[in-house]
Amino acid sequence: AQKVTQAQTEISVVEKEDVTLDCVYETRDTTYYLFWYKQPPSGELVFLIRRNSFDEQNEISGRYSWNFQKSTSSFNFTITASQVVDSAVYFCALSEPEVFFGNEKLTFGTGTRLTIIP
Amino acid sequence: AAGVIQSPRHLIKEKRETATLKCYPIPRHDTVYWYQQGPGQDPQFLISFYEKMQSDKGSIPDRFSAQQFSDYHSELNMSSLELGDSALYFCASSPYGGELPNTEAFFGQGTRLTVV
Repeated sequence: AQKVTQAQTEISVVEKEDVTLDCVYETRDTTYYLFWYKQPPSGELVFLIRRNSFDEQNEISGRYSWNFQKSTSSFNFTITASQVVDSAVYFCALSEPEVFFGNEKLTFGTGTRLTIIP
Repeated sequence: AAGVIQSPRHLIKEKRETATLKCYPIPRHDTVYWYQQGPGQDPQFLISFYEKMQSDKGSIPDRFSAQQFSDYHSELNMSSLELGDSALYFCASSPYGGELPNTEAFFGQGTRLTVV
C-alpha cells in the first residue's frame, strides 16, 4: 500500500527566511509519480510540480525547489526568500499509475500548514 | 486555458436530504476523479471514471453514487446526507496518454458542502 508522510504539521517562519517542507513516501512500485499541491485559505488545490520515479534530477522554479532522493524515499520542497503569499497548506501526494487504464488516483499526505510572518 | 469546472461552489443541505455535485473536466480529458476533504484533513479519493466507466473506487459510502456521461462530465450523487458529509469535494481530470500516461491531475476549485 502506498503512504505519504508529512511529519511537519505546522511551520511558521519570518518573511524572507527559507523553509523546507518534508515528504516521505512508501510504495512497492518502481514506477510512480510524486506531486506537491498548495492549498491557500480560499481552498483550491494548486498544482506545483509532478516528478516521475525515474527522474531524480532536482528542479528549481523561481523561489521553489524540490529535492527528490529515491534512496531515502523523500521528496522535499524548499521555498527560498519566503513571502506572506506563500502562507498555505502544502500537500505532498503519490500516484501509482495503472498504465493501461489511465487511472492515477492520488494518495495525499496530511499536509503542512505554512505560516509566513510579516 | 480552460480548467476543471465544478458546480455549485457552495451547497447547504439538511440531514437526510440529497445533493448532486457536478464536474466538467478539461476538454479532451477522459478521466475524472472525485475526492473528499473533511475539515483539517487531506483529500481522500472517492471514485474515478475513465471513458465513462468506473475505473477505481476508494472510501466512498454506499449512500454516494457517481457516473460519467457521454460528454465526459461527471456527477456525484449523495443521498441521506449526514453531518459528517460536510466537506470540500474536489473533482480532478486528466488525459489518458496511452502507454505513458500523463498523470498531471488538474483539480477544480471544489464544492463546499455543508450539512446542517
